[in-house]
Amino acid sequence: EDQVTQSPEALRLQEGESSSLNCSYTVSGLRGLFWYRQDPGKGPEFLFTLYSAGEEKEKERLKATLTKKESFLHITAPKPEDSATYLCAVLYSGAGSYQLTFGKGTKLSVIP
Amino acid sequence: GAVVSQHPSRVICKSGTSVKIECRSLDFQATTMFWYRQFPKQSLMLMATSNEGSKATYEQGVEKDKFLINHASLTLSTLTVTSAHPEDSSFYICSASVRDRPYEKLFFGSGTQLSVL
Repeated sequence: EDQVTQSPEALRLQEGESSSLNCSYTVSGLRGLFWYRQDPGKGPEFLFTLYSAGEEKEKERLKATLTKKESFLHITAPKPEDSATYLCAVLYSGAGSYQLTFGKGTKLSVIP
Repeated sequence: GAVVSQHPSRVICKSGTSVKIECRSLDFQATTMFWYRQFPKQSLMLMATSNEGSKATYEQGVEKDKFLINHASLTLSTLTVTSAHPEDSSFYICSASVRDRPYEKLFFGSGTQLSVL
């Protein structure tokens, strides 16, 4: 069973059409939730870290929120350059150490 | 932000040969480096964690004799895929962080696409 589930798997938006990406998790002992952007053939680029339920972070057209079970990445008035795969990762304490687990990502395509 | 340089970006090799991938932190001392493997439309799968000057810790199911990791300095880690086979073809990504808060903000390399013929 996946511990980190991202939905939808793929999302196509018209330029300017706002939407949200979801990252749900089932781990306990959450230490942090991370959002990354990954362009094709590239390594992930850090966007946000969220540590506790109720926390919000913003950067340009992106806003990340966190609850006890999930996180949302809201994209307001997206532009074609926002097209990428967005990954979330959950850091939690387990087996005496920290574990970092990634979701499979949401591939966002923004059409001009 | 911090820069992690990874190369080569793409390598094609014959089955049975060994391939070395380098990961360098350019403007900070990376006490911890992670190596990931990523298949198309799949999550990043952690292969191993290495701390400078010590042996790497491999995840379950990852063959340490096949995927040799060396972290000899605070700015360089290498992954050697020994006797590569077609099933080793994948996208390999390194990431680096500082020891005190190793997961606080991972800095990723640009990845290496390995194709084994």
